[in-house]
Amino acid sequence: GDSVTQMEGPVTLSEEAFLTINCTYTATGYPSLFWYVQYPGEGLQLLLKATKADDKGSNKGFEATYRKETTSFHLEKGSVQVSDSAVYFCALSDNQAGTALIFGKGTTLSVSS
Amino acid sequence: GAVVSQHPSWVICKSGTSVKIECRSLDFQATTMFWYRQFPKQSLMLMATSNEGSKATYEQGVEKDKFLINHASLTLSTLTVTSAHPEDSSFYICSAREGRRNTEAFFGQGTRLTVV
Repeated sequence: GDSVTQMEGPVTLSEEAFLTINCTYTATGYPSLFWYVQYPGEGLQLLLKATKADDKGSNKGFEATYRKETTSFHLEKGSVQVSDSAVYFCALSDNQAGTALIFGKGTTLSVSS
Repeated sequence: GAVVSQHPSWVICKSGTSVKIECRSLDFQATTMFWYRQFPKQSLMLMATSNEGSKATYEQGVEKDKFLINHASLTLSTLTVTSAHPEDSSFYICSAREGRRNTEAFFGQGTRLTVV
C-alpha cells in the first residue's frame, strides 16, 4: 500500500540555519503531497501542499517540490527561527474521496537562539 | 483555510465513565471525518473513518464498542470513549475533508484525555 517515510529526528538547529527534512513516498497512483506542522499540545496545521509533479508548495518561508522521479517531497527553509520549533509531518493523499491521509512518523525540529 | 473545531481541548475523567468528544466543521460540509489517536512523541494512528449518515469504518485493532463514533450531520462527528480506563489516556485528534478530491484534511485542536 501507499506509504510515507520521513527522516527521523530530532533535528536540532541554531537560529538562521538552513533546514531540510527529507520525505519520500510510495504510491501506486498520482498522490497529492502535504506538509503539516504540529505545535505542542495542538492539532495539525497545513503548512503547504502540492498536487502534481513539479509543483512547488510554499508558505511562511518553507517550501517543498513534488519530485515524481525521486518520489520525494523534501521540506526546506533557508533560515529557521526559534518559533519554527515543532513536529513536522509529511503526508500523502491518494485522491480518492473519503480516504484518510497517510502520514509519516513526524520529525521534531528544535531551534535554539 | 477551513476551520475544524474540537471540544473539549482537555478532559479528566474517572475510570469506568464515558467521555464524548465533539468535532465540528465550521465553514464547510465534511462528508468524511477521521479520528486519530496520538501517543507522546509518536505519529498519528488512524482509528476510524466516518461518513455522514453511515456507520464508521474502524481500523484493525480498534474496538468499535469502546470507541463509538457518530457522524450525524455534515458538520458534526462525535467520538465517545466508553468505560474509559487509564490506558485510554491519550491525545485524540479529529480531521475532516470536503467531498472533492485533491483537498487537504483540516484538523481540530485535539483533545487531551486523562483517565484517573
